Amino acid sequence: AQSVTQPDIHITVSEGASLELRCNYSYGATPYLFWYVQSPGQGLQLLLKYFSGDTLVQGIKGFEAEFKRSQSSFNLRKPSVHWSDAAEYFCAVGAYGGKSTFGDGTTLTVKP
Amino acid sequence: KAGVTQTPRYLIKTRGQQVTLSCSPISGHRSVSWYQQTPGQGLQFLFEYFSETQRNKGNFPGRFSGRQFSNSRSEMNVSTLELGDSALYLCASSLGQSGTGELFFGEGSRLTVL
Repeated sequence: AQSVTQPDIHITVSEGASLELRCNYSYGATPYLFWYVQSPGQGLQLLLKYFSGDTLVQGIKGFEAEFKRSQSSFNLRKPSVHWSDAAEYFCAVGAYGGKSTFGDGTTLTVKP
Repeated sequence: KAGVTQTPRYLIKTRGQQVTLSCSPISGHRSVSWYQQTPGQGLQFLFEYFSETQRNKGNFPGRFSGRQFSNSRSEMNVSTLELGDSALYLCASSLGQSGTGELFFGEGSRLTVL
């Protein structure tokens, strides 16, 4: 069965600092990987996705993620965090029939 | 292009009642998935519909049901509500036939059971 682990429940960074959110997955085949962001009281918005090809993928709002098959990881990065990036971030593995599996999420707090 | 629309956004029910939530997917999307989000359990998959057929179902009791109409709009129903059903119910639509692609989420329906 597929699973997703986000080891960090809560991360605090200063505005302008770099960010890395960790994600590890378990999946039997080549995974479809996603990062979503959720602001309070809102639905989830896709940040970026990996299906195949280049292991470094670019997303919206200046985010990028790197797929490392050997480590079963798909970490999210941003070089310089803005206060508006404060939100909850979810890593997910897509599967047939819309049954995506989500990690428990990482809450990002941005210090001024 | 309009996004995924969920109604109602907020609702309060009492134990034992039933509730129906509605979801209109993005135009052209034929796959609709439902998720329950709670602080303790996170995002849990309820079920997915594609072309009016349920393709996949999560581990929820039979009190949770859904359907999809010919225009791809979907509804989910929860009968005999329990306190533990209080949650944000998220609907997501997807373009791909396999359903493995990216999900486009609505803003959710916040259900409170008293």
